[in-house]
Amino acid sequence: KAGVTQTPRYLIKTRGQQVTLSCSPISGHRSVSWYQQTPGQGLQFLFEYFSETQRNKGNFPGRFSGRQFSNSRSEMNVSTLELGDSALYLCASRLDRVSSPLHFGNGTRLTVT
Amino acid sequence: KNEVEQSPQNLTAQEGEFITINCSYSVGISALHWLQQHPGGGIVSLFMLSSGKKKHGRLIATINIQEKHSSLHITASHPRDSAVYICAVTLLAGNQFYFGTGTSLTVIP
Repeated sequence: KAGVTQTPRYLIKTRGQQVTLSCSPISGHRSVSWYQQTPGQGLQFLFEYFSETQRNKGNFPGRFSGRQFSNSRSEMNVSTLELGDSALYLCASRLDRVSSPLHFGNGTRLTVT
Repeated sequence: KNEVEQSPQNLTAQEGEFITINCSYSVGISALHWLQQHPGGGIVSLFMLSSGKKKHGRLIATINIQEKHSSLHITASHPRDSAVYICAVTLLAGNQFYFGTGTSLTVIP
């Protein structure tokens, strides 16, 4: 079974631009969640999608948004990029929302200049 | 104040030693996760616990719900265990995730 796939692996953007990151979950997994990892703040939860609906959200500004498609693939969008948005963005999928473990992708490393 | 506290932050051990990493949390949770992250970023989920104890190979994870505390033990440590170990909790209300700051483990041959 293929693992969680995130694209692209690396991305360089300039301040003010927007970016879209993609996550393809393991086949059959309906939950996709997104995380930001920085050296200063560590891992932080962004949001979770289940059956195309955002189920819960972390404490991030509205510039961070996402969506999930009917095939469970998910995209995350960050608008009006700031230098502080430079981070490793990870997504994880799981079978359901409660009782199954998380399976992480390798992440997208975003650099904002 | 962090909802999830891990200790120690850094740990160096000799190959073969028994290792314990601790995690305390202050919120009501539905599950606790132990994650392993190797250099380069990839994260692997080691355990998901809501009660008791789980064992996988040389790894053992325990949780005490009343004391809001979990431990990850590594028996007969090996250099390939060198990684960052992260404790995460799923909140009972709202299903959000909170993460500890991680424990960086180095096992020396």
